Amino acid sequence: DSGVTQTPKHLITATGQRVTLRCSPRSGDLSVYWYQQSLDQGLQFLIQYYNGEERAKGNILERFSAQQFPDLHSELNLSSLELGDSALYFCASSSNPNTEAFFGQGTRLTVV
Amino acid sequence: DQQVKQNSPSLSVQEGRISILNCDYTNSMFDYFLWYKKYPAEGPTFLISISSIKDKNEDGRFTVFLNKSAKHLSLHIVPSQPGDSAVYFCAATYTGTASKLTFGTGTRLQVTL
Repeated sequence: DSGVTQTPKHLITATGQRVTLRCSPRSGDLSVYWYQQSLDQGLQFLIQYYNGEERAKGNILERFSAQQFPDLHSELNLSSLELGDSALYFCASSSNPNTEAFFGQGTRLTVV
Repeated sequence: DQQVKQNSPSLSVQEGRISILNCDYTNSMFDYFLWYKKYPAEGPTFLISISSIKDKNEDGRFTVFLNKSAKHLSLHIVPSQPGDSAVYFCAATYTGTASKLTFGTGTRLQVTL
């Protein structure tokens, strides 16, 4: 158990819909990262937050957004969903941006 | 632009032998490298890391070697065990304020009996 909690574990939704993925980082970790893993692909960095502020942005679509709340949990919002958005979405946390990150078990999103 | 590359999608090794997983990177700003292991339906698990000021780091059966001039790192597992069968991701970052982990595409290791 990494200490990072992601909910829900599975999500099935229709195209055009909007979903919210939630992440609770390890106790004390200020950095939260979101990654996307499509079928047979590596982990693609989406976005990073540090203590509530956006720190780095990767290949995140404009239809996607994220935020980190004062209690440090984070949410990833995916809207106008397309079939190609079906993937595993991982959240990770670290105590600071320069140390190893610990991953949650992921949310498997299926868009039908 | 794939800044971290794992050119072998899969590797099969006999139990008890050495497994060597390779990783190449292109960004010379990277100064911290990590290996993660991932089982199906689970998140990646941190395995071992190495800073660019070192060329070797060892933790039990796992050793990571870094060759900065070649921009190459490798993970050695000795001896390999069936439980090591998983996908291994190499990742790199740099000690900047906007650092993030950049992952390779992974190598699937199968340790056979």
